[in-house]
Amino acid sequence: EDQVTQSPEALRLQEGESSSLNCSYTVSGLRGLFWYRQDPGKGPEFLFTLYSAGEEKEKERLKATLTKKESFLHITAPKPEDSATYLCAVLSGSSNTGKLIFGQGTTLQVKP
Amino acid sequence: GAVVSQHPSRVICKSGTSVKIECRSLDFQATTMFWYRQFPKKSLMLMATSNEGSKATYEQGVEKDKFLINHASLTLSTLTVTSAHPEDSSFYICSAPLTGADTQYFGPGTRLTVL
Repeated sequence: EDQVTQSPEALRLQEGESSSLNCSYTVSGLRGLFWYRQDPGKGPEFLFTLYSAGEEKEKERLKATLTKKESFLHITAPKPEDSATYLCAVLSGSSNTGKLIFGQGTTLQVKP
Repeated sequence: GAVVSQHPSRVICKSGTSVKIECRSLDFQATTMFWYRQFPKKSLMLMATSNEGSKATYEQGVEKDKFLINHASLTLSTLTVTSAHPEDSSFYICSAPLTGADTQYFGPGTRLTVL
């Protein structure tokens, strides 16, 4: 069964304190792994798509990496505005529906 | 980037009434759209896949007669919550991928409150 697990559930950081969020997955042939940011009361905002192990993508203070079993979202010198819930999702290669499997999310709070 | 809109952003209705939520892809055509439901502090739960020109595909446990989905055009899908009850109160979000692509772009969500 396809499954996505994110850890930790919640993370509190001081401004400038770098850290990483983890997304572990089991899927029958990974077609894509997606990171989204969600602010309270809003829809998820697309961040990154990763397709193959070893791939990395960056956007401002965020960097996403991918291995055959997990993905990390590295946050370098975070700011309070980075506070949000970060969602990881995978798309199975056996899917013909485009259905994403979501993790439970990591809620990040960055204190000034 | 691809933009998806939803209308209304918030709706409050009385128990027993029906509510329609619109999802539009503003700058691209979407043959497929997805409808999700999200409970407080929980992740997204896929309700159904909306297909332009054909019937929607519902996830197990989702009542198709209660949550009516119509994909009227390549840029519009609607979700109608029929005979709404307080337990239907939730945050409903739609998404759509660019044609031929895998990345889904999400709408801003609709907060439904049933009194």
